Formats: sequence, C-alpha cells, structure tokens
Amino acid sequence: QQQVKQSPQSLIVQKGGISIINCAYENTAFDYFPWYQQFPGKGPALLIAIRPDVSEKKEGRFTISFNKSAKQFSLHIMDSQPGDSATYFCAASEETSGSRLTFGEGTQLTVNP
Amino acid sequence: NAGVTQTPKFRILKIGQSMTLQCTQDMNHNYMYWYRQDPGMGLKLIYYSVGAGITDKGEVPNGYNVSRSTTEDFPLRLELAAPSQTSVYFCASSYRQGGSYEQYFGPGTRLTVT
Repeated sequence: QQQVKQSPQSLIVQKGGISIINCAYENTAFDYFPWYQQFPGKGPALLIAIRPDVSEKKEGRFTISFNKSAKQFSLHIMDSQPGDSATYFCAASEETSGSRLTFGEGTQLTVNP
Repeated sequence: NAGVTQTPKFRILKIGQSMTLQCTQDMNHNYMYWYRQDPGMGLKLIYYSVGAGITDKGEVPNGYNVSRSTTEDFPLRLELAAPSQTSVYFCASSYRQGGSYEQYFGPGTRLTVT
C-alpha cells in the first residue's frame, strides 16, 4: 500500500524558474512531513520539514505548502538553479510510529542553465 | 564527526552467497535504519532499531537480518543473495529533537547480485 504518492516523476525547469513537486498522503495520523534532497552518488539529506499546524513554511528559496483537508503538500523551489538539480523525496511520519518515515517515489529535477 | 559511514561502497555477489553491510554512526543517535532504494521506487525501510538490543521489521524485511549490539553499529546481513536484492542500500540514524526526527544518511552501498 503506497501511503505517500509523489508527482511528477521527473521535472525539467529553466534557470530562474519555479519548480513544484507535489505529494499526497492517505494516513490522517501523519503529523510530520519532511522533504529530502539527494545528489547522485550521495545519501538523502533533510531539506525542509513542516508540521500540519501551519499551512506554509519557507526557508530561503524553498517553501512547503500544506493542505490538511486535501491531504496534500508540495515543495516549491523559487529561482531554480542548476545546483538544485537532484532527486527530491517527500516523506511522512506519525507520532505513534516514532521515527519511521514513509517516503514518496522521488522526483528527479533538472534545472537547465 | 564522520556522521554515518557505510562499507563497502560497492559489491558484486553471486546468487546464494551471503554478506554483511556495515553501518556505523558517531553521533550517539538512538535510532538507526536500513533502507533500500530502487529506481522510481523511493526508499523502502528494511529494518530499524530504537536502541541497542532492540530491532524491528520495516516494510521489506524478507531476506535480511540485523543486529544492534552497540549504539554505534547496525549491520545488515543478507543470507542467500537473490537478484531481487540488487539495489542501493542506505543506512541512517536519528535522534528526537522537538518532536521530530531528522534522519542522517550514509553514502550508500551499491549491491549487484548476479
């Protein structure tokens, strides 16, 4: 059972453009939603995370938008740069599962110069 | 601080062979995890541990075993390797901070079973 669905699978954006990656979840008990960034040959690293008590969180050029009623959340990358080219994973966890994360399938982002 | 280290980086196994993937963290984290990453499939949790001596199955545990005798080490054992276990394996660790658990990942082990 896929509990976190991520789209698109791949995304190509021009330098300076906005990259948008979407995730939808099924488990209403999820209460923590991180995004991880992975460069080729490396392990994923935490980029930004949100809890459902806020609808938006911004860190620099990266913003998470969260819609609790729709059970969706998205990552927006403003002024996308070639250095942002990587694979992005959304994830979710619930308090009762402790630290376990359920990951989406990943989005491969390419930012053309 | 080396963070999370994994060995080996690459390995080719023949069907039926066994091996142990090593994982060590030097951040004194209680929680440790093993994931496998297949193209287009995201990361799937194999096993996890909430502390030394405590392990539990994740989403895809079949064909694998783990142990956690110390806080630092969390080895993953593959018995009777099969082609379906060809994948990239990541070890991660985390601690609780403000109600959330940021996971720190190692660089991965790329395993091919032929």
